[in-house]
Amino acid sequence: AQKVTQAQTEISVVEKEDVTLDCVYETRDTTYYLFWYKQPPSGELVFLIRRNSFDEQNEISGRYSWNFQKSTSSFNFTITASQVVDSAVYFCALAMDSNYQLIWGAGTKLIIKP
Amino acid sequence: NAGVTQTPKFQVLKTGQSMTLQCAQDMNHEYMSWYRQDPGMGLRLIHYSVGAGITDQGEVPNGYNVSRSTTEDFPLRLLSAAPSQTSVYFCASSRKGTGQSSPLHFGNGTRLTVT
Repeated sequence: AQKVTQAQTEISVVEKEDVTLDCVYETRDTTYYLFWYKQPPSGELVFLIRRNSFDEQNEISGRYSWNFQKSTSSFNFTITASQVVDSAVYFCALAMDSNYQLIWGAGTKLIIKP
Repeated sequence: NAGVTQTPKFQVLKTGQSMTLQCAQDMNHEYMSWYRQDPGMGLRLIHYSVGAGITDQGEVPNGYNVSRSTTEDFPLRLLSAAPSQTSVYFCASSRKGTGQSSPLHFGNGTRLTVT
């Protein structure tokens, strides 16, 4: 069965702290893709990153970084020096070559306090 | 580019009424889909389409119909609205890849209330 677990329902930190959002996935497919999406308080959904199962390189984009570890089936997202504008709900999602349905995590609500 | 355009942004219906949520994209994306988002339940797929003339059911298709007569448009029809359909609805599109490997582009959502 395919599944995405975001165990952290809500995280609250003070601005400038680093914060890591966890994502654990389950799939038996050997080819799959992992995504992170952001949903700010305004409600739109914004794509952040995609990783395929053959590329375990970590990625850094400014204050954002992603750690993909197949050994632990995790694709964690770290925000360094968080800012109030990072406050949002963040979703992790899993896609397989074998079908057209994304598997979504329940989301983690991140609150950055000034 | 407008991207994915959803209308209306807000809608209130009475139980039993019907309506169509509109979705249009101008990126020539083959794949389009409809999701509903309910508190604490994340995003759930209602219907999707991999190209004009092709549609398929997602996780929660009951009470909804779709059609895809053109690449650009993918309307979602509620035939007889029920309070359980109160939700925020998102339309999304992407390039066609193997499975759902391409990132989704989302519309801004439609907040539907059924009384």
